[in-house]
Amino acid sequence: DSGVTQTPKHLITATGQRVTLRCSPRSGDLSVYWYQQSLDQGLQFLIQYYNGEERAKGNILERFSAQQFPDLHSELNLSSLELGDSALYFCASSVADRTVETQYFGPGTRLLVL
Amino acid sequence: AQKITQTQPGMFVQEKEAVTLDCTYDTSDPSYGLFWYKQPSSGEMIFLIYQGSYDQQNATEGRYSLNFQKARKSANLVISASQLGDSAMYFCAMREGGNFNKFYFGSGTKLNVKP
Repeated sequence: DSGVTQTPKHLITATGQRVTLRCSPRSGDLSVYWYQQSLDQGLQFLIQYYNGEERAKGNILERFSAQQFPDLHSELNLSSLELGDSALYFCASSVADRTVETQYFGPGTRLLVL
Repeated sequence: AQKITQTQPGMFVQEKEAVTLDCTYDTSDPSYGLFWYKQPSSGEMIFLIYQGSYDQQNATEGRYSLNFQKARKSANLVISASQLGDSAMYFCAMREGGNFNKFYFGSGTKLNVKP
């Protein structure tokens, strides 16, 4: 158990819908990262927050957005869902924001868009 | 160019034998970190081992060791005394000092340990 929690574990929804994925980092971690893992694209970095502020963006679509709240939990919002958004979404956390820091991953949320 | 390359999509190893999973990386940043993660069939990503670009010695964590060859830009994972529970996907990843907000992952190697 990494100490990172994600809810829900599974999510099934329809195209065009909007969903929210939730992540709670390890106790004491200030950085939260979101990743998408799909069969054809592999593991893709989406976005990072550090202590409530956006720090870096990766391959995140405009239909996706995220935020980190004062209690440091984070939410990833996916809207106008398409079939291709079906994937495993990971949240990871680290203490701060340095090169040497290891990221610890949550169990992931499996999203299926029908 | 790919930042992380894992050339072995799948590998088999006999239980109790050692196995090496290959990883090469591409960066011009002198400061970087290299990581290996294990992903069992249940889906979670488990951190295994870390190597910093300035570390003089190869990292070791229990049965895992990282064979770091800086000049060749390789960071191979060695698993000694393989166990059935080692069967999983293994991902190599890199974080650059000048761009440390992003993690780059390889495509993974599927390891199967045979009894």
